[in-house]
Amino acid sequence: QQPVQSPQAVILREGEDAVINCSSSKALYSVHWYRQKHGEAPIFLMILLKGGEQKGHDKISASFNEKKQQSSLYLTASQLSYSGTYFCGTNRDDKIIFGKGTRLHILP
Amino acid sequence: EPEVTQTPSHQVTQMGQEVILRCVPISNHLYFYWYRQILGQKVEFLVSFYNNEISEKSEIFDDQFSVERPDGSNFTLKIRSTKLEDSAMYFCASSLQGAANQPQHFGDGTRLSIL
Repeated sequence: QQPVQSPQAVILREGEDAVINCSSSKALYSVHWYRQKHGEAPIFLMILLKGGEQKGHDKISASFNEKKQQSSLYLTASQLSYSGTYFCGTNRDDKIIFGKGTRLHILP
Repeated sequence: EPEVTQTPSHQVTQMGQEVILRCVPISNHLYFYWYRQILGQKVEFLVSFYNNEISEKSEIFDDQFSVERPDGSNFTLKIRSTKLEDSAMYFCASSLQGAANQPQHFGDGTRLSIL
């Protein structure tokens, strides 16, 4: 069953913060975050493997709440380069099931 | 940095024809995947391949689809008799280990257009 992402779309001004949520009705074993720019391949951002784990690089970070079966991606002081569609994915055996994505548009 | 390469970048085919999409995964990776993305929609899993056999496949991956690793470097997806609804972007991905704890590296995709 695919994870549910919210919101579906976000429009921000450069420098603003955003939070993208990913939740599942089933237990999450790991959460993957990818970003895809229009017409390009999804690019790996990070994996969270354990409940309570938090990761980040630059101004993009994520947390994983295993009990609540959800993960959140935080974009701080957003830059124009952050624009794109963000997908969370949960692994089931050897596959990743992706959510429908959150479109993020950053305005200058 | 090593990358997954896919050819062709765009394939136009008549309905009912066979098509083969090609991928060269990252050389030391052991797991290979095909995903599909219909325009404007989410990325959908098709099949995973490990140790020269399919390890998992989705409902989309019916008898019209097959995968092969014909040599040590290529990984192919064949669609035997294409339908209009097969039009999509097809992404190949590879990972060092299984999906549980390793990132998947995606190729740039092949845009398949069925006429």
